[in-house]
Amino acid sequence: RKEVEQDPGPFNVPEGATVAFNCTYSNSASQSFFWYRQDCRKEPKLLMSVYSSGNEDGRFTAQLNRASQYISLLIRDSKLSDSATYLCVVRANDYKLSFGAGTTVTVRA
Amino acid sequence: DTGVSQNPRHKITKRGQNVTFRCDPISEHNRLYWYRQTLGQGPEFLTYFQNEAQLEKSRLLSDRFSAERPKGSFSTLEIQRTEQGDSAMYLCASIGQETEAFFGQGTRLTVV
Repeated sequence: RKEVEQDPGPFNVPEGATVAFNCTYSNSASQSFFWYRQDCRKEPKLLMSVYSSGNEDGRFTAQLNRASQYISLLIRDSKLSDSATYLCVVRANDYKLSFGAGTTVTVRA
Repeated sequence: DTGVSQNPRHKITKRGQNVTFRCDPISEHNRLYWYRQTLGQGPEFLTYFQNEAQLEKSRLLSDRFSAERPKGSFSTLEIQRTEQGDSAMYLCASIGQETEAFFGQGTRLTVV
């Protein structure tokens, strides 16, 4: 079983729509969780950290469910510029970062 | 620009040749990672340094791969006797006291 699994998508949504997707992780001892964004042929960049209580950053909302070992990301009022691959990242106590394969989102005009 | 620098950005090499990549992390960051990414996949962990010590090495890293961080600053990743399956993007990331990992722009390797 992979350490981090994501629905690969692609999610193809119109501008203004809401899109949400999940990621599951296998290591119950994982301590830190993140969503990274990766544009085509570019390096991953931090979108947001995910906190136990859930957190919001503008149009982006992240949730963590430790009992079921999943993380979610919701994007409201999608913009064309949100088109990217979203990588779920989990860090265990030893600081090893494990990545999911990514969820591709395409926002169309 | 995140401050993590990798070079070269692109490398085309013939099968069987050796290649070496360099990563310069953000100067105050003591943790450095190497990842490999192929098309449609997320980055796969290769190895991790804390200062100059290589603390973890993935089983993906065959004996043809070696990484060093001699003075706890820059790091090199060498691949000997390259194979076509080594073609990928090689990403370096560093972490300091904060939790965020900063990635370099990667070195894209093509083995022909």
